[in-house]
Amino acid sequence: DAGVTQSPTHLIKTRGQQVTLRCSPKSGHDTVSWYQQALGQGPQFIFQYYEEEERQRGNFPDRFSGHQFPNYSSELNVNALLLGDSALYLCASLALGQYYGYTFGSGTRLTVV
Amino acid sequence: QQPVQSPQAVILREGEDAVINCSSSKALYSVHWYRQKHGEAPVFLMILLKGGEQKGHDKISASFNEKKQQSSLYLTASQLSYSGTYFCGTENFGNEKLTFGTGTRLTIIP
Repeated sequence: DAGVTQSPTHLIKTRGQQVTLRCSPKSGHDTVSWYQQALGQGPQFIFQYYEEEERQRGNFPDRFSGHQFPNYSSELNVNALLLGDSALYLCASLALGQYYGYTFGSGTRLTVV
Repeated sequence: QQPVQSPQAVILREGEDAVINCSSSKALYSVHWYRQKHGEAPVFLMILLKGGEQKGHDKISASFNEKKQQSSLYLTASQLSYSGTYFCGTENFGNEKLTFGTGTRLTIIP
């Protein structure tokens, strides 16, 4: 049973560029959340998608946007990259209403230079 | 509001016990506990729901004090594999986003 799959694993971008990160949730899961984790810190909630709609959003600027597709996979887009956007981006999935906790992917390490 | 964890870091010898605490300033609906090893994804340990019972499996258990909005994670007879950073995650009523705590780095030495 495949868990959460994220791509790419590593990415280097130049300040001002745009990036798209991808996530395939665990089989049977319909809800996807995205987190940003800076080095040595806890994951910070970006947003959550369910039924192709954004359900919740954290304190992130509009440069961060997302999408969920009919097959429940999701994308995270970040425009006008800043040096401070360098972090590990984690995708987590769960089946809404099932209290089994989130399953996390291994993340995408984004470096902005 | 980010939940606060204590201690920030702890070093134990194999076989010793540890307690990690998580406190929130808001009324909690649920508390999750995760362990993250260096360079890896967080791994779900357990979830505690308001009105639910203390959870546990193997030698790791947790409690949820609804009146104090606190949760504690108990690691008994620690093993080397328990090393990592432990995060609590909290959900508030009417706000289902999972907010992670400040983290507790646990190091187990032989």
